[in-house]
Amino acid sequence: GNSVTQMEGPVTLSEEAFLTINCTYTATGYPSLFWYVQYPGEGLQLLLKATKADDKGSNKGFEATYRKETTSFHLEKGSVQVSDSAVYFCALSRDTGNQFYFGTGTSLTVIP
Amino acid sequence: ETGVTQSPTHLIKTRGQQVTLRCSSQSGHNTVSWYQQALGQGPQFIFQYYREEENGRGNFPPRFSGLQFPNYSSELNVNALELDDSALYLCASSLAGSSYNSPLHFGNGTRLTVT
Repeated sequence: GNSVTQMEGPVTLSEEAFLTINCTYTATGYPSLFWYVQYPGEGLQLLLKATKADDKGSNKGFEATYRKETTSFHLEKGSVQVSDSAVYFCALSRDTGNQFYFGTGTSLTVIP
Repeated sequence: ETGVTQSPTHLIKTRGQQVTLRCSSQSGHNTVSWYQQALGQGPQFIFQYYREEENGRGNFPPRFSGLQFPNYSSELNVNALELDDSALYLCASSLAGSSYNSPLHFGNGTRLTVT
């Protein structure tokens, strides 16, 4: 079946530190991969996406590369800010009908 | 551009009751999906509506049902509420009938508490 596994949190970093949040997936064929971010009290917002192998998605300094050989889509940012504190979800979309499969989320707290 | 809006934002119901949650999709989007997000978990797919018909369903019992209207807005109905139904219910719209590359645009959700 289709599933997403992402690293357990919570993650606490100092401002300007380097961020990596690991995400691996299981899917048949060629899924599209996404990172969503959820700020407190809000719904999920699309952060970035990649639709085929070796694609790199990027937005707001975050980036992730679709690695088919390792079935991974790790999220990285070179220098985090306090405003990046949120919960990050890795997701895939495989089936027709646009059904998404989400990981359990990784909580990030950035301290000044 | 109007985003996805959901109502109400919070709701408290008693076990056994029925509830209706509402969603207005982002302008121009023709597909609405509903997700259940339990505390500390990722969203779980309930079902999707396209052209006013159910177009995919997750592992949820029949007491979870929905509707999509001609203006693409949608309702989620849950009958015979159980304590485990307590969760954040998220509506998401997209511009897709069958494309799995189309990202979802989420509303802020309805927090349902069942006592």
